[in-house]
Amino acid sequence: GNSVTQMEGPVTLSEEAFLTINCTYTATGYPSLFWYVQYPGEGLQLLLKATKADDKGSNKGFEATYRKETTSFHLEKGSVQVSDSAVYFCALSDRASGFGNEKLTFGTGTRLTIIP
Amino acid sequence: ETGVTQSPTHLIKTRGQQVTLRCSSQSGHNTVSWYQQALGQGPQFIFQYYREEENGRGNFPPRFSGLQFPNYSSELNVNALELDDSALYLCASSLRGRVDTQYFGPGTRLTVL
Repeated sequence: GNSVTQMEGPVTLSEEAFLTINCTYTATGYPSLFWYVQYPGEGLQLLLKATKADDKGSNKGFEATYRKETTSFHLEKGSVQVSDSAVYFCALSDRASGFGNEKLTFGTGTRLTIIP
Repeated sequence: ETGVTQSPTHLIKTRGQQVTLRCSSQSGHNTVSWYQQALGQGPQFIFQYYREEENGRGNFPPRFSGLQFPNYSSELNVNALELDDSALYLCASSLRGRVDTQYFGPGTRLTVL
């Protein structure tokens, strides 16, 4: 079955540090890959996505590249801010499950805390 | 454009009871998915509804059931509550076949004592 493995947290960084959160996946088909962010007391928000190999998703200074050869989708940001403190989830959607029957399979999440 | 709303925000029940959680979809969305997020874990897919019918189900027992209404709002019903049902329940609406359009609500925190 499909699965997502995320770097375990929590991760604590100083403001303006470089961020990497590792994510690897296992899928039977041709998945789309996502990063979601969850701020305290809020629902999940889509941060970025990539739908095929070598695609790079980017948003708000965050980037992730779909690497089929290493089955990875690591999240990076060059200079983090206090406002980036949140829980980050890597997820996949496998189109092999059939049109209209898509679901997201999530990793366990990585809590990120940025210290001023 | 209204976002996805869920009610109630918090709920406390005892083992064996039944609970109904509600979700209003984002305007224009026709598909609703429900997820269970246990403390410290990622969300797990419960089921999805499209055109008032279940359109896919995760590894959850039949005591988890749902409804979708003509206005695309939805309910999640859980019978015979167990302690392990304590979790944050997330609703997400989307366009059919477009999982990348999924918008999540803030969730309902269910505590089973």
